[in-house]
Amino acid sequence: ELKVEQNPLFLSMQEGKNYTIYCNYSTTSDRLYWYRQDPGKSLESLFVLLSNGAVKQEGRLMASLDTKARLSTLHITAAVHDLSATYFCAVVAGNKLVFGAGTILRVKS
Amino acid sequence: DTAVSQTPKYLVTQMGNDKSIKCEQNLGHDTMYWYKQDSKKFLKIMFSYNNKELIINETVPNRFSPKSPDKAHLNLHINSLELGDSAVYFCASSPGQSSYNEQFFGPGTRLTVL
Repeated sequence: ELKVEQNPLFLSMQEGKNYTIYCNYSTTSDRLYWYRQDPGKSLESLFVLLSNGAVKQEGRLMASLDTKARLSTLHITAAVHDLSATYFCAVVAGNKLVFGAGTILRVKS
Repeated sequence: DTAVSQTPKYLVTQMGNDKSIKCEQNLGHDTMYWYKQDSKKFLKIMFSYNNKELIINETVPNRFSPKSPDKAHLNLHINSLELGDSAVYFCASSPGQSSYNEQFFGPGTRLTVL
């Protein structure tokens, strides 16, 4: 059964700093999603990564996928308060989407 | 607005009661899902329907019964509610037949069982 592990689970960072969230998964998959969830809200799709070496960027967020290492990263550049949220990676396994536990990001002024 | 909608947004009920949550999508998608998000924010698939046909049925108590009257609607009925059923339930939909395609999530239904 596919396991998806995210780390860190909680990240407190200062505005303007850079950091990376890691998503490891246990079995082969060639499609991975990153979602954002604000408190009390639904999940919003950020990125879909479709192949090995895929890199997507939107604003201060950049996601990458290494299918050989079974690793995806979500890099935050020069964090701002508005990025505070919970970030989930989710990996396609057969006919299911398996989510990581989520990373709670708090950006402090 | 094109979206996935759920009703109700909040549901507070007593143990032992039976309740339903409704989900509708107007995105023209073929596949719909129910997820449960527990108090630790962990999100897990419960059911998936494709064109009214059940395709995913995870290890969920029999008290939970999904029903899809048409491909735009997927409802979740829960019998004999227990304290452990308290969670946020999200409906989602995607085009095509599987989770391979991007899923769009509804706003969630926060269920509290007292």
